[in-house]
Amino acid sequence: NAGVTQTPKFRILKIGQSMTLQCAQDMNHNYMYWYRQDPGMGLKLIYYSVGAGITDKGEVPNGYNVSRSTTEDFPLRLELAAPSQTSVYFCASSQPGQTYGYTFGSGTRLTVV
Amino acid sequence: GENVEQHPSTLSVQEGDSAVIKCTYSDSASNYFPWYKQELGKGPQLIIDIRSNVGEKKDQRIAVTLNKTAKHFSLHITETQPEDSAVYFCAAPPRTSGTYKYIFGTGTRLKVLA
Repeated sequence: NAGVTQTPKFRILKIGQSMTLQCAQDMNHNYMYWYRQDPGMGLKLIYYSVGAGITDKGEVPNGYNVSRSTTEDFPLRLELAAPSQTSVYFCASSQPGQTYGYTFGSGTRLTVV
Repeated sequence: GENVEQHPSTLSVQEGDSAVIKCTYSDSASNYFPWYKQELGKGPQLIIDIRSNVGEKKDQRIAVTLNKTAKHFSLHITETQPEDSAVYFCAAPPRTSGTYKYIFGTGTRLKVLA
């Protein structure tokens, strides 16, 4: 099925470890986004991309990095995990002019201990 | 700064009753206001959206109204069913046009009681 695929679904990290959250979409959307969702809170934008090779910071970028080498993939990197990064992470994509609404992935639940 | 306030944070209704969720935004350069439904363990899913050139849009049991002068928009669900139980998010466009970085409300947890 067409959509946004996120892996892994769950992960437990120790403080100081690193990991990459994977995100891939097969809808040929140019715009991609990473959000984090904390309990009782809305979605906060971490990073976004308007096309391959172009990325920019969102509202809460500290502690994260991204790359966008292809239209399909938009991985999110955590270099030195901290307990404050315990959250659910959602990747989304859109194609303004075609569909302004976001298509979200199913999320990655990350716990840092 | 840019902000979207969403109320209520939780809402319980009897099956068959109506539910209304309201959002207020601080500023916007665009005219597209979406609503998302998030079921347990899943990502948010777009359920309805509205553009500022219309005041209301309806899709079966759900409708959205927009008052751009007052900067608020609402989601209305009629004849609620148990499967409507979920968390609902509104989103508003950012002040800067062309970036499509929507600002999300904090969510409303809707419980439909059978």
